[in-house]
Amino acid sequence: DVKVTQSSRYLVKRTGEKVFLECVQDMDHENMFWYRQDPGLGLRLIYFSYDVKMKEKGDIPEGYSVSREKKERFSLILESASTNQTSMYLCANRGPTGYTFGSGTRLTVV
Amino acid sequence: QKEVEQDPGPLSVPEGAIVSLNCTYSNSAFQYFMWYRQYSRKGPELLMYTYSSGNKEDGRFTAQVDKSSKYISLFIRDSQPSDSATYLCATPYGGATNKLIFGTGTLLAVQP
Repeated sequence: DVKVTQSSRYLVKRTGEKVFLECVQDMDHENMFWYRQDPGLGLRLIYFSYDVKMKEKGDIPEGYSVSREKKERFSLILESASTNQTSMYLCANRGPTGYTFGSGTRLTVV
Repeated sequence: QKEVEQDPGPLSVPEGAIVSLNCTYSNSAFQYFMWYRQYSRKGPELLMYTYSSGNKEDGRFTAQVDKSSKYISLFIRDSQPSDSATYLCATPYGGATNKLIFGTGTLLAVQP
């Protein structure tokens, strides 16, 4: 089975900090995704990547950037964290059998 | 209007009940539908997927698609406390990249 690992389960950061959320897959899948999940809004796509150094904006990219230097790793960057970025962040990849999600990072910005 | 709408619940049922979870969608080009289950503090995991209209059964779970009314359903028979979770419907879009668009999720609690 594919495994997607998010490095942190819980994070607390201060407003204005630069935040890195890391995601690693144990396969060689090209497509990786970052979603955020909020009550009443469901999962919304922030960014996705279809290969190394290739990325596209999702539905809510403002305030975020991403990095994909190696195929197995896809990082989400909050350039200057704000309280409205407090959320659950979910990384996923897509392989031949479908999508696999990580366990999520619950980020609180204070 | 959201492209995929889902009753948010919460839904509370007694153990053994039949559960019906529903979504509607607006884009008739959507062809492929998935149901994810998400336990508390975990990521979503794929439960079932269906392509085109009709039913698909897997154990106690049945997924149903009615393309004429743009309605998708997940039925759970003989519900168990271990079925307590958030259930999300989803459909891929965006061509080759196959991004997923999700419903907001329905929180289900099965009471022992």
